[in-house]
Amino acid sequence: EAQVTQNPRYLITVTGKKLTVTCSQNMNHEYMSWYRQDPGLGLRQIYYSMNVEVTDKGDVPEGYKVSRKEKRNFPLILESPSPNQTSLYFCASRGGGRSEQYFGPGTRLTVT
Amino acid sequence: AQSVTQLGSHVSVSEGALVLLRCNYSSSVPPYLFWYVQYPNQGLQLLLKYTTGATLVKGINGFEAEFKKSETSFHLTKPSAHMSDAAEYFCAVSDMAGANNLFFGTGTRLTVIP
Repeated sequence: EAQVTQNPRYLITVTGKKLTVTCSQNMNHEYMSWYRQDPGLGLRQIYYSMNVEVTDKGDVPEGYKVSRKEKRNFPLILESPSPNQTSLYFCASRGGGRSEQYFGPGTRLTVT
Repeated sequence: AQSVTQLGSHVSVSEGALVLLRCNYSSSVPPYLFWYVQYPNQGLQLLLKYTTGATLVKGINGFEAEFKKSETSFHLTKPSAHMSDAAEYFCAVSDMAGANNLFFGTGTRLTVIP
């Protein structure tokens, strides 16, 4: 089954404790993205990647890092999480051309 | 630059009634428009998209949307609401069909009253 998976689905952590949210897709897609969803703000893009070792900032990249060492994986790294990063995070991928984005199930992060 | 405005953060309809969710966009280039649905505790699923060609677009689950350039709108409709339609709906715009970035509206939560 074609899918985007994220782990963990739920995470509660404390300020400053580094964490990684993993994202993996099995569709051989070139493009992958991370979004955060906040009430009243919709989804905003954090980072995206056009292929292995190629990443770029989205609209709200501050406080986040990403890497793309393999085509299928696109982890999101929070080196020093802060409470304002409490949010629902979505990973997405798409193939080339006119294909639409496929979204993962989301990771709900709480930073206390 | 692209942006989307969704009028009404909450919409309630009776089962069997017409569903109308409003979306207006702003784009400096011909837009590509999308509607996504998010069921509770799930990711976003594409309902339908407009890229080029026919302005009335049919999607899954009986939904459709019409691209009206003169009104800069892309409203989502369904003739008869079903309980299973209760979800949050997002309109999104990009400047090309395969864009890396979609600009999302703030979402509309649809409640269906039995």
